[in-house]
Amino acid sequence: TQLLEQSPQFLSIQEGENLTVYCNSSSVFSSLQWYRQEPGEGPVLLVTVVTGGEVKKLKRLTFQFGDARKDSSLHITAAQPGDTGLYLCAGTGTASKLTFGTGTRLQVTL
Amino acid sequence: EAGVTQFPSHSVIEKGQTVTLRCDPISGHDNLYWYRRVMGKEIKFLLHFVKESKQDESGMPNNRFLAERTGGTYSTLKVQPAELEDSGVYFCASSQDGTSGNLSPYNEQFFGPGTRLTVL
Repeated sequence: TQLLEQSPQFLSIQEGENLTVYCNSSSVFSSLQWYRQEPGEGPVLLVTVVTGGEVKKLKRLTFQFGDARKDSSLHITAAQPGDTGLYLCAGTGTASKLTFGTGTRLQVTL
Repeated sequence: EAGVTQFPSHSVIEKGQTVTLRCDPISGHDNLYWYRRVMGKEIKFLLHFVKESKQDESGMPNNRFLAERTGGTYSTLKVQPAELEDSGVYFCASSQDGTSGNLSPYNEQFFGPGTRLTVL
């Protein structure tokens, strides 16, 4: 069974701070996706990484896939209150179903 | 383009009753997935349809759960009889990759808003 552990579980920071969320597994994934979820809504895809060592940037968000494709990180620069939400990593293996991480709840205050 | 829709948004039923959840995927998406989050746990896969066929139902908890996708469009997930541990949020997702044997490395799934099921 593939498992994805996210850390930290909760993060409360002030506007302007930087943060990194980690997503770790002992299993290799074909692809890894990061989602953000707001209350009452489904997860919304932010990015997909498929190559070991791949780095993708989305404005102030930087996503990295580990060289061995077992882990990933999400770095947010100069966090803003609009970044508040639940961040989820999810991976695919040989099948297309997603294995979700445990989630990181981020709160950014003024 | 309309996104994935789910109905109802909330359902409160008593133990032993039946509930049917509906998912309408994005038009043209052959793949439809059901996931569930029970309180305090991560979102977990239930099953995957390719058009009207069940591709993978390894995540279905037991035979009280029945999923259908007649005609390869919308899908229903019936729970009968419901138990307390079935409470949670049920998400549906769809993706475009059209051929079951041709797995897109991106597998970008688009999620619906979920149905919150409460079994009392």
